[in-house]
Order: sequence, then C-alpha cells, then structure tokens
Amino acid sequence: AQRVTQPEKLLSVFKGAPVELKCNYSYSGSPELFWYVQYSRQRLQLLLRHISRESIKGFTADLNKGETSFHLKKPFAQEEDSAMYYCALNGGNQFYFGTGTSLTVIP
Amino acid sequence: DTGVSQDPRHKITKRGQNVTFRCDPISEHNRLYWYRQTLGQGPEFLTYFQNEAQLEKSRLLSDRFSAERPKGSFSTLEIQRTEQGDSAMYLCASSLSTGQLMKAFFGQGTRLTVV
Repeated sequence: AQRVTQPEKLLSVFKGAPVELKCNYSYSGSPELFWYVQYSRQRLQLLLRHISRESIKGFTADLNKGETSFHLKKPFAQEEDSAMYYCALNGGNQFYFGTGTSLTVIP
Repeated sequence: DTGVSQDPRHKITKRGQNVTFRCDPISEHNRLYWYRQTLGQGPEFLTYFQNEAQLEKSRLLSDRFSAERPKGSFSTLEIQRTEQGDSAMYLCASSLSTGQLMKAFFGQGTRLTVV
C-alpha cells in the first residue's frame, strides 16, 4: 500500500541553523515525490518536486530509492520558513500526503 | 486570480442538513481532486475526476457523499445528512494529467463545521 510517513510533527530550529524535514514513503512503482508548504492562513502550495531536481527558497530534496526517503533540507533556516510542510507521493491517480511537520524557526 | 477557487470558504450547518461545496479548477486542468483534512492530519484523498469522469473514490467517501463535474470544468461536492464527524476542511485541487506537468494546485478550502 502507498504510504507517506513524516515522523516529526513538530520541529524547531534557530535562525541560521540547518534544517532537515524527514519523509519516508512506500510505493510499489516508480514514485513521484513532492514537498508542499502551507504558510499561516494560506493555501497549500507546491514547494518542489523530485523530478525537477530544483532548489526553491534554498530548500532541496533528494529522492533516495534505496532508503525510500525524500528528506527536505535547507542549510540556513530563515524565520519566513516557519510553516507546515507536507511530503506527498503521486501514485498515478492521486496524491498521498504525510501528516505534516510544523517547522518553527526561532529568531 | 487564475488559481483554484472554492466556495464557500466557511460553512456552519446543523447535523442532518445537506451541504454543497463548489470548486473551480485552473481552466486548462483536466484533473480535479477532492481531499479532506482534519486537525493534525494531512490531506486525505476523497475522489478525483479526469474531465467529467469520476475515476476513483476513496472508502472515506460514504454514500452520503457525492461529487460531480458535469462539464469537466467546475465540480461540486455534496454531503447529505451531515454528521459531526464530517467537520473538516474540504480541499479541492487540480492538475494536468501529463506526467511532467502533473503537479496539484490547491484551493483555499471550505471549512465545514457541523453543530
């Protein structure tokens, strides 16, 4: 069965510190992985997707098929990064979401 | 605003009443999804349409729930005989179905409170 696991519900880091939000998945096929972000009072929006291999707002994520992980990383956290982050997997017909990690960047 | 729009943004209803939500996707998107999100959870898939065809429904979608997308454009989600457990944020998203462009864009959601 398809599943996305985000083990940390809450994560706090100091401004300027590195941040890593963990995501593990299970999927029998070839997955497409995404990170979505939800800032306070705003809609869910796409942050990045593994297929693009891009860096958005300083965030990167590498798909590790051996470890079935797609962790989100940023070397220097900023206060404006405080938000809810959801890892998602596209299983062909739908997107499966993790339960989310609330990131707080402490000034 | 050319994004996904949902109406209403908030709905308070009494238990047992019927409610209907509307979603207008991005115009060129042929896929439309409905999700439900409760506190502390990620979005949970309810159903999706490819054009006007409803291709998949979750087990979460009881027979009190029905969704339509009559002309392959906007969609409605109706909940009949609402229960307190239906209280949640209902999210609509749309996407293209072509692989490289298959990323979902979300609306702001309709928050349903059943009292």
